[in-house]
Amino acid sequence: RKEVEQDPGPFNVPEGATVAFNCTYSNSASQSFFWYRQDCRKEPKLLMSVYSSGNEDGRFTAQLNRASQYISLLIRDSKLSDSATYLCVVGGYNKLIFGAGTRLAVHP
Amino acid sequence: DVKVTQSSRYLVKRTGEKVFLECVQDMDHENMFWYRQDPGLGLRLIYFSYDVKMKEKGDIPEGYSVSREKKERFSLILESASTNQTSMYLCASYSGENYGYTFGSGTRLTVV
Repeated sequence: RKEVEQDPGPFNVPEGATVAFNCTYSNSASQSFFWYRQDCRKEPKLLMSVYSSGNEDGRFTAQLNRASQYISLLIRDSKLSDSATYLCVVGGYNKLIFGAGTRLAVHP
Repeated sequence: DVKVTQSSRYLVKRTGEKVFLECVQDMDHENMFWYRQDPGLGLRLIYFSYDVKMKEKGDIPEGYSVSREKKERFSLILESASTNQTSMYLCASYSGENYGYTFGSGTRLTVV
């Protein structure tokens, strides 16, 4: 079983749609949780950290369920510019494990 | 902002060559990492370092070595390049538990 699992997609959605990504992780001792965004042929960039109480940044909402070892990312009112691969990232002290990513394609 | 700089965006090398990939970070971070990324396989950890002259093997260290002589610089070495090492190589520096990793812009290596 992979340490961090994501649905690879692709998710094809129209502009304005709401889309949700899910991620599960196997190590219950994990302490840090992130969502990264990666554009084609570019490096991953931090989208947002994920906190136990859940957190929101504009159109993006992240949730963490430690009991189920599950992380989610919700994108509301999708824009064309949201098209990218979204990486779920989980870690302990200093070392992070990356999921393989979920590809999102937003179309007009 | 943390800046992580990789010396080359694109490299073409011949089979059997020794290849050096350089990475420099400007925030005095202790922890640095080298990954490779291939389609369908995601990011795979090659080596990491917690401090100067310290190194740890990641998940796929075979065929690679690293050097950390100065805190800001972490080098990945392909001792004898092979075609199966054609990949995107990403260096990262750890920015703390609220910020995760900061990546360099990557080096796309082709071994012919």
